[in-house]
Amino acid sequence: DQQVKQNSPSLSVQEGRISILNCDYTNSMFDYFLWYKKYPAEGPTFLISISSIKDKNEDGRFTVFLNKSAKHLSLHIVPSQPGDSAVYFCAASVDFNKFYFGSGTKLNVKP
Amino acid sequence: GAGVSQSPRYKVAKRGQDVALRCDPISGHVSLFWYQQALGQGPEFLTYFQNEAQLDKSGLPSDRFFAERPEGSVSTLKIQRTQQEDSAVYLCASSHFRGRAYNEQFFGPGTRLTVL
Repeated sequence: DQQVKQNSPSLSVQEGRISILNCDYTNSMFDYFLWYKKYPAEGPTFLISISSIKDKNEDGRFTVFLNKSAKHLSLHIVPSQPGDSAVYFCAASVDFNKFYFGSGTKLNVKP
Repeated sequence: GAGVSQSPRYKVAKRGQDVALRCDPISGHVSLFWYQQALGQGPEFLTYFQNEAQLDKSGLPSDRFFAERPEGSVSTLKIQRTQQEDSAVYLCASSHFRGRAYNEQFFGPGTRLTVL
C-alpha cells in the first residue's frame, strides 16, 4: 500500500520554462514533506522541504507547494536548466525518522 | 569532507548465499538509516539506528534481514539465504539528531545487489 505516489514517471521540459512535479499522499498524519534529487549511480540529495503548517516554501529556483486538503504536493522549478535533469523523489514523514518515498519522476530539461 | 560511503558498490550473489553490506556514515552523525530501492521504485525504509540502538526495524522484509551498528558508527546490513526478490539497490543515509526536528539525511551511493 503506497502512501506516497508520483503518478508521472517522466517529464520533459524546455530549458528556461517551468517544471512542475507532482506528488500525492494518502496518510493525513504526515507532517513533513521533502523533495530529493537523484543522479544516476549516486544517492538521493536533499532539495527542499516543507512542514505541514505551511503551504509554500521557496528556495531560489525551487518552490514546494502543499495542499493538505487535497493531500497534494508539488515542486516548481523555474527557470529549468539542463543540469536539473535527474530523478526527483518526494517523501513524507510522521515522526522525522521514517520516510515514505514516491516512485520518482524523471525530469529531462532540453537545451 | 567525506560523505556517506558504502561498500561494496556492486554485489552479485547466488541464490542462497549470505551477503553483508557496509555503511560508513558521516563522522559524528547519530542517526543511520537503511533503505531498499527496487528497480523503478523509490527508496523503501528498512531500519533506523540512533547511535548503536536500533529504534525501528519495521521495514525489514523478513527475518533473513539483519542490521547492526555495534559501536554507533559503521553499520552492516546482512541478508541471509538471499533470494532473487532481494535484488535491489540498498541505500544508507545518516543525519545529525537534534531532538524532534528534521535533520537532513545524507545518502550514500548505494550497493547494487543482484541475486542470480
